[in-house]
Amino acid sequence: GAGVSQSPSNKVTEKGKDVELRCDPISGHTALYWYRQSLGQGLEFLIYFQGNSAPDKSGLPSDRFSAERTGGSVSTLTIQRTQQEDSAVYLCASSLDRGVGAFFGQGTRLTVV
Amino acid sequence: DAKTTQPNSMESNEEEPVHLPCNHSTISGTDYIHWYRQLPSQGPEYVIHGLTSNVNNRMASLAIAEDRKSSTLILHRATLRDAAVYYCILRVSGAGSYQLTFGKGTKLSVIP
Repeated sequence: GAGVSQSPSNKVTEKGKDVELRCDPISGHTALYWYRQSLGQGLEFLIYFQGNSAPDKSGLPSDRFSAERTGGSVSTLTIQRTQQEDSAVYLCASSLDRGVGAFFGQGTRLTVV
Repeated sequence: DAKTTQPNSMESNEEEPVHLPCNHSTISGTDYIHWYRQLPSQGPEYVIHGLTSNVNNRMASLAIAEDRKSSTLILHRATLRDAAVYYCILRVSGAGSYQLTFGKGTKLSVIP
Protein backbone atom coordinates (compact mmCIF):
# COMPACT_ATOMS: atom_id res chain seq x y z
CA GLY A 1 0.00 0.00 0.00
CA ALA A 2 0.95 3.63 -0.31
CA GLY A 3 0.73 4.54 3.36
CA VAL A 4 2.02 3.37 6.71
CA SER A 5 0.28 0.16 7.68
CA GLN A 6 -0.18 -1.01 11.26
CA SER A 7 -1.51 -4.29 12.54
CA PRO A 8 -3.58 -5.29 14.28
CA SER A 9 -5.93 -2.32 14.26
CA ASN A 10 -7.36 -3.41 17.62
CA LYS A 11 -5.94 -5.67 20.31
CA VAL A 12 -7.50 -6.71 23.57
CA THR A 13 -5.20 -8.57 25.91
CA GLU A 14 -5.21 -9.76 29.47
CA LYS A 15 -3.05 -8.10 32.06
CA GLY A 16 0.33 -9.80 32.25
CA LYS A 17 0.37 -11.06 28.67
CA ASP A 18 2.91 -9.98 26.06
CA VAL A 19 1.82 -8.21 22.88
CA GLU A 20 3.48 -7.42 19.58
CA LEU A 21 2.44 -4.53 17.40
CA ARG A 22 3.58 -4.32 13.81
CA CYS A 23 4.37 -1.37 11.58
CA ASP A 24 5.01 -1.45 7.84
CA PRO A 25 6.46 1.92 6.85
CA ILE A 26 6.22 3.53 3.45
CA SER A 27 8.69 1.86 1.10
CA GLY A 28 12.01 3.67 1.01
CA HIS A 29 11.47 5.64 4.19
CA THR A 30 14.56 5.49 6.34
CA ALA A 31 13.11 7.01 9.51
CA LEU A 32 10.50 5.25 11.65
CA TYR A 33 8.81 6.45 14.83
CA TRP A 34 6.58 4.94 17.49
CA TYR A 35 4.24 7.05 19.60
CA ARG A 36 1.37 6.29 21.90
CA GLN A 37 -1.69 8.29 22.73
CA SER A 38 -3.84 7.61 25.75
CA LEU A 39 -7.51 8.57 25.64
CA GLY A 40 -7.87 12.34 25.46
CA GLN A 41 -4.14 12.89 25.81
CA GLY A 42 -1.34 14.11 23.57
CA LEU A 43 1.17 12.04 21.65
CA GLU A 44 3.96 10.50 23.68
CA PHE A 45 7.19 9.69 21.84
CA LEU A 46 8.46 6.15 22.38
CA ILE A 47 11.29 5.30 20.00
CA TYR A 48 12.88 6.46 16.75
CA PHE A 49 14.84 4.53 14.14
CA GLN A 50 16.98 6.15 11.47
CA GLY A 51 18.69 3.96 8.92
CA ASN A 52 21.42 1.85 10.46
CA SER A 53 22.00 4.21 13.36
CA ALA A 54 21.37 3.17 16.93
CA PRO A 55 17.70 3.89 17.75
CA ASP A 56 16.67 6.67 20.08
CA LYS A 57 14.95 4.77 22.89
CA SER A 58 14.65 7.73 25.21
CA GLY A 59 10.85 7.66 25.23
CA LEU A 60 10.29 4.05 26.22
CA PRO A 61 8.47 4.20 29.57
CA SER A 62 9.91 1.03 31.07
CA ASP A 63 12.02 -2.01 30.28
CA ARG A 64 8.82 -3.89 29.46
CA PHE A 65 8.81 -1.98 26.19
CA SER A 66 11.13 -2.80 23.31
CA ALA A 67 11.16 -2.34 19.57
CA GLU A 68 13.13 -3.61 16.66
CA ARG A 69 13.32 -2.78 13.02
CA THR A 70 14.40 -5.58 10.74
CA GLY A 71 16.14 -4.92 7.45
CA GLY A 72 15.47 -1.23 7.73
CA SER A 73 11.80 -1.78 7.01
CA VAL A 74 9.18 -3.47 9.19
CA SER A 75 9.18 -2.63 12.87
CA THR A 76 7.72 -4.49 15.83
CA LEU A 77 6.91 -2.90 19.17
CA THR A 78 6.76 -5.45 21.97
CA ILE A 79 5.19 -4.87 25.36
CA GLN A 80 5.89 -7.55 27.94
CA ARG A 81 3.72 -8.26 30.97
CA THR A 82 1.13 -5.72 29.91
CA GLN A 83 -0.47 -3.48 32.52
CA GLN A 84 -3.76 -1.60 32.37
CA GLU A 85 -1.92 1.70 32.06
CA ASP A 86 -0.48 0.44 28.76
CA SER A 87 -3.94 0.80 27.20
CA ALA A 88 -3.61 3.41 24.46
CA VAL A 89 -3.46 3.89 20.71
CA TYR A 90 0.01 3.05 19.46
CA LEU A 91 0.98 5.04 16.39
CA CYS A 92 3.76 4.42 13.93
CA ALA A 93 5.12 6.97 11.46
CA SER A 94 7.80 7.00 8.79
CA SER A 95 9.61 9.66 6.85
CA LEU A 96 11.85 9.70 3.86
CA ASP A 97 14.69 11.30 5.74
CA ARG A 98 15.39 13.08 8.94
CA GLY A 99 14.29 16.56 8.03
CA VAL A 100 11.08 16.00 6.13
CA GLY A 101 7.48 15.36 7.07
CA ALA A 102 6.44 12.11 8.70
CA PHE A 103 3.42 10.06 7.71
CA PHE A 104 1.41 8.24 10.33
CA GLY A 105 -0.49 5.01 10.27
CA GLN A 106 -3.96 4.66 11.71
CA GLY A 107 -2.65 3.11 14.87
CA THR A 108 -3.26 0.02 16.97
CA ARG A 109 -5.76 0.43 19.78
CA LEU A 110 -4.50 -1.68 22.69
CA THR A 111 -6.82 -2.48 25.55
CA VAL A 112 -5.46 -4.32 28.56
CA VAL A 113 -8.17 -5.92 30.69
CA ASP B 1 14.42 20.78 23.58
CA ALA B 2 13.07 23.56 21.40
CA LYS B 3 9.52 24.41 22.46
CA THR B 4 6.52 25.91 20.74
CA THR B 5 3.57 27.85 22.14
CA GLN B 6 0.12 27.69 20.59
CA PRO B 7 -3.33 28.84 21.69
CA ASN B 8 -5.36 26.03 23.20
CA SER B 9 -8.31 26.56 20.90
CA MET B 10 -9.61 28.65 18.03
CA GLU B 11 -12.86 28.97 16.13
CA SER B 12 -13.48 29.77 12.53
CA ASN B 13 -16.50 30.13 10.32
CA GLU B 14 -16.80 27.77 7.43
CA GLU B 15 -15.37 29.05 4.15
CA GLU B 16 -13.36 31.76 5.86
CA PRO B 17 -9.56 31.84 6.14
CA VAL B 18 -7.95 30.64 9.36
CA HIS B 19 -4.62 31.82 10.74
CA LEU B 20 -3.15 29.49 13.37
CA PRO B 21 -0.23 31.09 15.24
CA CYS B 22 2.81 29.44 16.77
CA ASN B 23 5.61 30.98 18.80
CA HIS B 24 9.02 29.34 18.87
CA SER B 25 11.36 31.96 20.27
CA THR B 26 14.13 29.47 21.10
CA ILE B 27 14.37 28.08 17.59
CA SER B 28 17.86 27.29 16.32
CA GLY B 29 19.11 28.29 12.92
CA THR B 30 18.74 24.88 11.34
CA ASP B 31 15.49 23.75 12.98
CA TYR B 32 12.61 23.09 10.61
CA ILE B 33 9.08 24.18 11.49
CA HIS B 34 6.56 21.39 10.99
CA TRP B 35 2.78 21.41 11.20
CA TYR B 36 0.61 18.36 11.70
CA ARG B 37 -3.06 17.96 12.38
CA GLN B 38 -5.08 15.23 14.01
CA LEU B 39 -8.69 14.72 13.10
CA PRO B 40 -10.94 13.02 15.65
CA SER B 41 -10.17 9.33 16.06
CA GLN B 42 -7.38 9.41 13.47
CA GLY B 43 -3.60 9.45 13.50
CA PRO B 44 -1.74 12.71 12.93
CA GLU B 45 -1.51 13.97 9.38
CA TYR B 46 1.44 15.90 7.99
CA VAL B 47 0.39 19.34 6.76
CA ILE B 48 3.44 21.38 5.82
CA HIS B 49 6.96 22.30 6.87
CA GLY B 50 9.47 25.03 6.21
CA LEU B 51 12.80 26.49 7.23
CA THR B 52 12.96 30.20 6.35
CA SER B 53 10.82 30.98 3.34
CA ASN B 54 7.06 30.88 3.21
CA VAL B 55 5.69 27.61 1.84
CA ASN B 56 2.53 26.69 0.01
CA ASN B 57 1.02 23.32 -0.73
CA ARG B 58 -2.41 21.97 -1.59
CA MET B 59 -3.43 21.83 2.06
CA ALA B 60 -2.19 25.10 3.50
CA SER B 61 0.35 27.90 3.54
CA LEU B 62 3.07 28.46 6.09
CA ALA B 63 4.17 31.99 6.82
CA ILE B 64 7.45 32.24 8.75
CA ALA B 65 8.49 35.44 10.47
CA GLU B 66 11.73 37.01 9.35
CA ASP B 67 13.39 36.31 12.69
CA ARG B 68 11.90 32.76 12.65
CA LYS B 69 10.62 33.16 16.19
CA SER B 70 7.04 32.63 15.09
CA SER B 71 5.06 31.15 12.25
CA THR B 72 1.46 31.00 11.08
CA LEU B 73 -0.37 28.17 9.42
CA ILE B 74 -2.93 29.51 7.00
CA LEU B 75 -5.95 27.56 5.86
CA HIS B 76 -7.30 29.62 3.00
CA ARG B 77 -10.88 28.45 3.23
CA ALA B 78 -11.90 26.44 6.26
CA THR B 79 -14.19 23.48 5.78
CA LEU B 80 -15.89 21.32 8.39
CA ARG B 81 -13.30 18.66 7.61
CA ASP B 82 -10.56 20.99 8.84
CA ALA B 83 -11.82 20.73 12.42
CA ALA B 84 -8.86 19.10 14.17
CA VAL B 85 -6.04 19.63 16.62
CA TYR B 86 -3.17 21.42 14.90
CA TYR B 87 0.36 20.86 16.14
CA CYS B 88 3.31 23.16 15.49
CA ILE B 89 6.56 21.27 15.99
CA LEU B 90 10.23 22.11 15.68
CA ARG B 91 12.17 19.39 13.95
CA VAL B 92 15.37 19.63 15.94
CA SER B 93 18.39 19.17 13.72
CA GLY B 94 22.02 18.54 14.46
CA ALA B 95 23.58 15.43 15.86
CA GLY B 96 21.31 12.94 17.50
CA SER B 97 17.68 12.14 17.21
CA TYR B 98 15.20 13.81 14.94
CA GLN B 99 12.21 12.89 17.02
CA LEU B 100 9.07 14.96 16.70
CA THR B 101 7.90 16.27 20.06
CA PHE B 102 4.16 16.98 20.05
CA GLY B 103 2.75 19.57 22.44
CA LYS B 104 -0.93 20.14 23.18
CA GLY B 105 -1.65 21.89 19.88
CA THR B 106 -4.55 24.15 18.95
CA LYS B 107 -8.01 22.67 18.72
CA LEU B 108 -9.71 24.26 15.74
CA SER B 109 -13.49 24.30 15.61
CA VAL B 110 -15.19 25.18 12.34
CA ILE B 111 -18.66 26.67 12.58
CA PRO B 112 -21.07 25.92 9.74
